[in-house]
Amino acid sequence: ILNVEQSPQSLHVQEGDSTNFTCSFPSSNFYALHWYRWETAKSPEALFVMTLNGDEKKKGRISATLNTKEGYSYLYIKGSQPEDSATYLCAPFLYNQGGKLIFGQGTELSVKP
Amino acid sequence: DSGVTQTPKHLITATGQRVTLRCSPRSGDLSVYWYQQSLDQGLQFLIQYYNGEERAKGNILERFSAQQFPDLHSELNLSSLELGDSALYFCASSGGLAGEETQYFGPGTRLLVL
Repeated sequence: ILNVEQSPQSLHVQEGDSTNFTCSFPSSNFYALHWYRWETAKSPEALFVMTLNGDEKKKGRISATLNTKEGYSYLYIKGSQPEDSATYLCAPFLYNQGGKLIFGQGTELSVKP
Repeated sequence: DSGVTQTPKHLITATGQRVTLRCSPRSGDLSVYWYQQSLDQGLQFLIQYYNGEERAKGNILERFSAQQFPDLHSELNLSSLELGDSALYFCASSGGLAGEETQYFGPGTRLLVL
């Protein structure tokens, strides 16, 4: 069974705190890694797609890094705001998985004002 | 708004019944994906269609089937429904097949089987 692990499972921070979470995935057969943001009662929304080792993507206060050799990606949020509260999902696309994204269970972030 | 539409938004039905969920992809997108999200489960990939043909299959039960029509909309058929089929079903679309293509998710159909 393919393992995509995200940690921590949940995170509670105060407004203004910076935070980061991890996505671990098998490093072999790597093709791409997707990050999604999923707010309650809405649908998952794409944040980043990363393909190259050492890649770094940024969107406003959110950034992500990728290490394909060791099989992990970090997502950082600088100066968290209550509107950042959501579940953050990662999903690798691997060559040997029949052409599909494998979603992790997500990190649930709650930002208190 | 992702541009992907799904109907119906909510569906309540009884065990043993059959339902059809519908998805219209974003304009120009050729790939459609179906996902299931049950309680305590992450997003589970069910099946993918590309330009009318099945391209990838996940943990889709034999009681479930899907198709993509010439106008590129897709339908997911769930039959002989069981209580455990209650879940949120998402459709997503992307332009093509490449693994780095962003998938845009629809609002989902919440299915409740009583």
